[in-house]
Amino acid sequence: GAVVSQHPSRVICKSGTSVKIECRSLDFQATTMFWYRQFPKQSLMLMATSNEGSKATYEQGVEKDKFLINHASLTLSTLTVTSAHPEDSSFYICSATLSGDYGYTFGSGTRLTVV
Amino acid sequence: GDSVTQMEGPVTLSEEAFLTINCTYTATGYPSLFWYVQYPGEGLQLLLKATKADDKGSNKGFEATYRKETTSFHLEKGSVQVSDSAVYFCALTNNNDMRFGAGTRLTVKP
Repeated sequence: GAVVSQHPSRVICKSGTSVKIECRSLDFQATTMFWYRQFPKQSLMLMATSNEGSKATYEQGVEKDKFLINHASLTLSTLTVTSAHPEDSSFYICSATLSGDYGYTFGSGTRLTVV
Repeated sequence: GDSVTQMEGPVTLSEEAFLTINCTYTATGYPSLFWYVQYPGEGLQLLLKATKADDKGSNKGFEATYRKETTSFHLEKGSVQVSDSAVYFCALTNNNDMRFGAGTRLTVKP
């Protein structure tokens, strides 16, 4: 079946530094990738939708300059949290699809802790 | 916009009890509906899905029927096991964006 690899699974960084999270589709070409953020005891929040070769579409309230998303190829999308602060600590999950009809495959998530 | 409303948890059941987790949705058109499960320490996994009205998705003893008249997609299982303890998310997709419910934590006790 379709597999999406998300890396790293856990990362701890200092305030003010930047962190890059990778999301790779291993056995299919993902035309669309999604980035979610999961707050404790809350549902996933869609942050942005990225289509290969074009700029990401951010949800309202998500700072595009803080959460940089790049979808340079059909198998890789990256989320960079710039100038991280403790309030950015969260669980980030990506998902990928060839098209909506084929279903969505989720990465395993990245637990970011900013100290 | 599209949204999913899911029964709040946590839900605690004894082994072999019957499970229902309610899910209703608001959406334009004809969305596809999903149930995802998240086991402790793991990412989300697709449990089952239904893509049109009256479809029944089923997997691992779980079932859910796409009811357009009531805009619902309730998750059911006749006899839960301890290993079913997890967080369950109802979700829909319409025009590619996926929207999730808040998640329901299920704990099954032996």
